[in-house]
Amino acid sequence: ETGVTQTPRHLVMGMTNKKSLKCEQHLGHNAMYWYKQSAKKPLELMFVYSLEERVENNSVPSRFSPECPNSSHLFLHLHTLQPEDSALYLCASSHGFTNEKLFFGSGTQLSVL
Amino acid sequence: AQTVTQSQPEMSVQEAETVTLSCTYDTSENNYYLFWYKQPPSRQMILVIRQEAYKQQNATENRFSVNFQKAAKSFSLKISDSQLGDTAMYFCAFMKHGGAGNMLTFGGGTRLMVKP
Repeated sequence: ETGVTQTPRHLVMGMTNKKSLKCEQHLGHNAMYWYKQSAKKPLELMFVYSLEERVENNSVPSRFSPECPNSSHLFLHLHTLQPEDSALYLCASSHGFTNEKLFFGSGTQLSVL
Repeated sequence: AQTVTQSQPEMSVQEAETVTLSCTYDTSENNYYLFWYKQPPSRQMILVIRQEAYKQQNATENRFSVNFQKAAKSFSLKISDSQLGDTAMYFCAFMKHGGAGNMLTFGGGTRLMVKP
């Protein structure tokens, strides 16, 4: 247990559904991240949130919408996804926006039918 | 842009033996970090070891050590006295020093199987 908890662990959704992934960290960190891990591509950063700013990968489609209500919680809202969005979505946190030590959760395995 | 390449999709090693995983990277940066992460079946990405590019001395963490060759842009991981619990996916990763948002660039991973 690294102190980063992700729910749900597994999610199956249709292309017309709307769902949300949740991440919570108990480490007192102030920066949180979403990474996507798909079978055919290396892990890629989707979004970063910190007290200072938000950074996003410009290649992420608008059907993925992040929300960070406070420094301990991070959500990824999903709507009208495509089958190619099926992947493992990993949340991570760090102490500071430029701190190189990231702590990861166990991910949400998403399947889009 | 940075790229990270792991040329060995799968490897196996007998328990108690030594194995080396390869990683090469391409960057124009001079100050950066390199990492090896382990992802066991639990899916949690766990930091194994990290190296700061300005340090010539190779990092070590117990049974894990790296061979960092900055000029060759090579960063291999050596696991000594392999244990069954070392079975996992291993990812090499790069991060620019001081880069906003901790943008890790990952390699494609190497699946390591430790056999009894």
